Amino acid sequence: DMKVTQMPRYLIKRMGENVLLECGQDMSHETMYWYRQDPGLGLQLIYISYDVDSNSEGDIPKGYRVSRKKREHFSLILDSAKTNQTSVYFCASSRDWGTYEQYFGPGTRLTVL
Amino acid sequence: GEQVEQLPSILRVQEGSSASINCSYEDSASNYFPWYKQEPGENPKLIIDIRSNMERKQIQELIVLLDKKAKRFSLHITDTQPGDSAMYFCAASVSNNRIFFGDGTQLVVKP
Repeated sequence: DMKVTQMPRYLIKRMGENVLLECGQDMSHETMYWYRQDPGLGLQLIYISYDVDSNSEGDIPKGYRVSRKKREHFSLILDSAKTNQTSVYFCASSRDWGTYEQYFGPGTRLTVL
Repeated sequence: GEQVEQLPSILRVQEGSSASINCSYEDSASNYFPWYKQEPGENPKLIIDIRSNMERKQIQELIVLLDKKAKRFSLHITDTQPGDSAMYFCAASVSNNRIFFGDGTQLVVKP
C-alpha cells in the first residue's frame, strides 16, 4: 500500500522554539518535497530532495532547513520558529522529478504562538 | 521558472451542471499537466493528468483538454455533484524539472 506518513499531525510551539517535522514514504521514491499551505491558498514549495543528501531550495526556503539521510525519510526543521510560520505543512514524494504523480502525506498543522 | 495561472479562484455551480477550470503556462517545453483535488482537511490527490502527446483525456466525468499552441489546459467536470466540492489545483512540469502548481480553484456545488 503506497503511503506517505507525517509526524506529528498537530503541533503547537512557542516563538523561538525549534521544530522538527518528519516525513516517511514506503515507495522507494527518489524525490521528496516539503510544501506549506496557508488557509484557502495554494501550495508553496519549501524544499525538494532528489535523493539522500541531495536537496535544493524551493520558492520559500528562508527560515527552513531539511535533512535526508535515508531515502524513505525527509525532515523539515525550523530553527527558532516564527509566528508567520504557522501553517499546514505537506510532505510529498514522487518516483522522479516533475512528470510523475506526487503522493502527499496527511499534513502537519503547526501553530507558532 | 515556469508560471502557472489558474482561473477562476472561486467557482460556484448548480448541482448537475458542468464546471470548467482554466490554466495557462509559460514554458513551451512543459509536457506533463496533472490535476489535483483537495477536499477540506485532506491532502491533495491526483485525479487526472495529461501529457503533451495528447489533446484530450477523459476519466468518467472528468475531461482534460490541452492546447499546446495556446499554452492552455482545462478541466471540465460534467454533471457536478456535491462531492465534487473541493479545491482543485492544476500544475505543469517539464521532464527532469520540478512541478509548478496553480493557485487553486475553490469549487462549490450547490444542491
